[in-house]
Amino acid sequence: GAGVSQTPSNKVTEKGKYVELRCDPISGHTALYWYRQSLGQGPEFLIYFQGTGAADDSGLPNDRFFAVRPEGSVSTLKIQRTERGDSAVYLCASSEVSGYTGELFFGEGSRLTVL
Amino acid sequence: AQKVTQAQTEISVVEKEDVTLDCVYETRDTTYYLFWYKQPPSGELVFLIRRNSFDEQNEISGRYSWNFQKSTSSFNFTITASQVVDSAVYFCALRESYNQGGKLIFGQGTELSVKP
Repeated sequence: GAGVSQTPSNKVTEKGKYVELRCDPISGHTALYWYRQSLGQGPEFLIYFQGTGAADDSGLPNDRFFAVRPEGSVSTLKIQRTERGDSAVYLCASSEVSGYTGELFFGEGSRLTVL
Repeated sequence: AQKVTQAQTEISVVEKEDVTLDCVYETRDTTYYLFWYKQPPSGELVFLIRRNSFDEQNEISGRYSWNFQKSTSSFNFTITASQVVDSAVYFCALRESYNQGGKLIFGQGTELSVKP
């Protein structure tokens, strides 16, 4: 597709379960970002990939959160032992080049609800 | 520390009114970029504008205009003759030059409601 695609659009799970969220960036974009947005708040940075490697994971809140991008395209955000506080919209963005000149293109997000 | 503050949580105007959304930022860097994004109810953040710290010239794009003032660390956004379709949450964001990853730091957002 032309834009950033995220699946699922909605995910409801129970506390303690494992969740995977998928992001398919714009074709050719080398940089990929994950953000988390809680209700009424701005997006909060989680992790950034340049190619296959995580160049900056300083935003991951704890070791229950992990993300991969094995082939430098699609990325998966993985959350283990989910907690109610993990409920949020998880946004993915991609950029043609890294560095501060590139604008980010965002997907519509995956809304995670942990019961 | 880097920080973006959007003091206005919600603004409500009547169609055709002008409205200004405020953004104040903090950074230790001398080279940085500022952004505005629009988030309609669909949830997808839409890029509106990028300015670098060396260019303080104000910009106008149709009904949108931006006022960048380094002296007050502000990057305000004005919509002239607002329309119902402008209703959305607007985010201001900052990217510092030392941050090679290009991550954006967002403000809390301002929810704009334009009523007919």
